[in-house]
Amino acid sequence: KQEVTQIPAALSVPEGENLVLNCSFTDSAIYNLQWFRQDPGKGLTSLLLIQSSQREQTSGRLNASLDKSSGRSTLYIAASQPGDSATYLCAVPSQGGSEKLVFGKGTKLTVNP
Amino acid sequence: DAGVTQSPTHLIKTRGQQVTLRCSPISGHKSVSWYQQVLGQGPQFIFQYYEKEERGRGNFPDRFSARQFPNYSSELNVNALLLGDSALYLCASSYLAWTPSPGEQFFGPGTRLTVL
Repeated sequence: KQEVTQIPAALSVPEGENLVLNCSFTDSAIYNLQWFRQDPGKGLTSLLLIQSSQREQTSGRLNASLDKSSGRSTLYIAASQPGDSATYLCAVPSQGGSEKLVFGKGTKLTVNP
Repeated sequence: DAGVTQSPTHLIKTRGQQVTLRCSPISGHKSVSWYQQVLGQGPQFIFQYYEKEERGRGNFPDRFSARQFPNYSSELNVNALLLGDSALYLCASSYLAWTPSPGEQFFGPGTRLTVL
């Protein structure tokens, strides 16, 4: 059974700092991994989808890396801004033919001005 | 282009009642999935539908049911509501369904259900 863990659960940083969010998964046989952003009480915004054949994926100030063999992904945010404050979730598809995503509990990021 | 839309935005029900939540996928997307998210947790998978057929079911009781219509929109029904059903219900759509791998999923804004 796939399980996803995100560490830390919460993170508070000053504006301008570079930061790394961590995601680990127990079953390394994944097809892809998706990072999402969620603002309080809102839906999920897809940030990056990284395929199992890729090592990295970049979008603006965001960079996601994937190491299947170790069951880990990181989301790197450069030059953080107060508008980056949100909960960040990672998710992987489970096996079995459906598009069920298994999520971590998320990391709540606060960027202080 | 419109994203995934969900209605209603908020809903308040009492225990024992029934509720229907609605979702319209992104134009051209044929796969719709439903998730339940309680406060402080990641979303939990409830159902996936592709081309009007159920492709996956999560560990939820039979009080939860869903269907997909010919226009690919979907409804989630929950009967005999319990206090524990209070949550944010999220709908996600994707274009590809395991062709050859799971597609990127796009989520709607959610429906906040409160059961009193």
